[in-house]
This record gives sequence, C-alpha cells and structure tokens, in this order.
Amino acid sequence: QKEVEQDPGPLSVPEGAIVSLNCTYSNSAFQYFMWYRQYSRKGPELLMYTYSSGNKEDGRFTAQVDKSSKYISLFIRDSQPSDSATYLCAMWAGNMLTFGGGTRLMVKP
Amino acid sequence: SAVISQKPSRDICQRGTSLTIQCQVDSQVTMMFWYRQQPGQSLTLIATANQGSEATYESGFVIDKFPISRPNLTFSTLTVSNMSPEDSSIYLCSVGSGTNEQFFGPGTRLTVL
Repeated sequence: QKEVEQDPGPLSVPEGAIVSLNCTYSNSAFQYFMWYRQYSRKGPELLMYTYSSGNKEDGRFTAQVDKSSKYISLFIRDSQPSDSATYLCAMWAGNMLTFGGGTRLMVKP
Repeated sequence: SAVISQKPSRDICQRGTSLTIQCQVDSQVTMMFWYRQQPGQSLTLIATANQGSEATYESGFVIDKFPISRPNLTFSTLTVSNMSPEDSSIYLCSVGSGTNEQFFGPGTRLTVL
C-alpha cells in the first residue's frame, strides 16, 4: 500500500463546476499538507499549504484537512478551462515530501 | 518564492553516455532537492543536495549513478551517468523554505535512446 493514495482520473467537468480532489494517507507522522498544480511539460506549482486540520481558502481554492480520517481535499469553485492540469497532493514528515500520484483534471468550456 | 531555472530544458541522449543537469536559484537557499518524474507518474525524491558535503540519497538511488554537486547556496548539478532508456524521465530540482514548502524548477525532459 502506498503512503499517499490519489485517484489518477482523468476527471472531466464542465466550466463553472465545483471540483473536488482528494487524497488519503496512512502515515500519522505527516504534519504539513500541500497541493501542487502541474501543467503539461511544466514543473509543479505550489497552490496551497496547510498544517492543521480544518479549511484554508485562497480565492477559488479551498484546502481541507481531516487528520482523524487521514484525508485531505482540494475544492475548486467556478472551475475554468485554465484549471485543466494534473493536481498533486504532497505531505511532509520529518525531512521528506511524499507525493500522491496526481489527478488529471479537464475542465471543458 | 524563489525563481528556479534548469538547464538544459530537454535533451536526447545515447545509451551509455552521461548528462549533467544544472539548477540555479535566484536567492540563497538552505535546502535543495532533486526529483525524478517518470512518464505518467508522480515525483520520486532522488536526493537532498547538501551544501559543502555529500548529497543524501533515497533508497534505490546511488551516488555512482546520480552524482550531485552543491558548490554554493544558489546552485546544484545532477548527473545521470551511464544512461539507459529506463532513465528517460523529467528531472526536477526544488528548493525548500523554512516552513517545509517546496518550490520546483521547470524540469529537464530527458530521452535516452
């Protein structure tokens, strides 16, 4: 079993939809949680960074962490075609960042 | 966040040769990392590049295959040695902040024939 599980998709939604992206994890030592967006042929771009359980909002993006369930989510409101990318969750414990496999999102006009 | 550049952006190499990838940061950073992203896969940490000392390699990666240099706080190189087609990947450097956030360079796309 991988330490971080993420549905690879692809997830296809119409423009304007609310998107929910999720990761589960097994290592209780993970303390910091991040979401990266990666466009094709580009490096990952840090979108959201959270530490504690609860919600963190930044514009159209909301990151949610539930440490008791070992479950994190990224919500995208009013999705746009420019949001089409692969979204990677990542978690930090000790001295290492562990990534999920990424979910490919396609937002259709 | 730091601005990170990598050279080359892409290369096509012959089996058995070596390629050195450069990573340049526009500010001094303590932590620099090298990752590999194989086609359709997520990121796997190769090693942590330590300034002034040997890199720290993750399980499955060895110095003879992936020698790393870190001569100062803004620059690092990763060499992929004696390449085979299985080394075809995107190689990414990243830098860490004090809050454990990591920021990535644009990547080097390597194809080995």
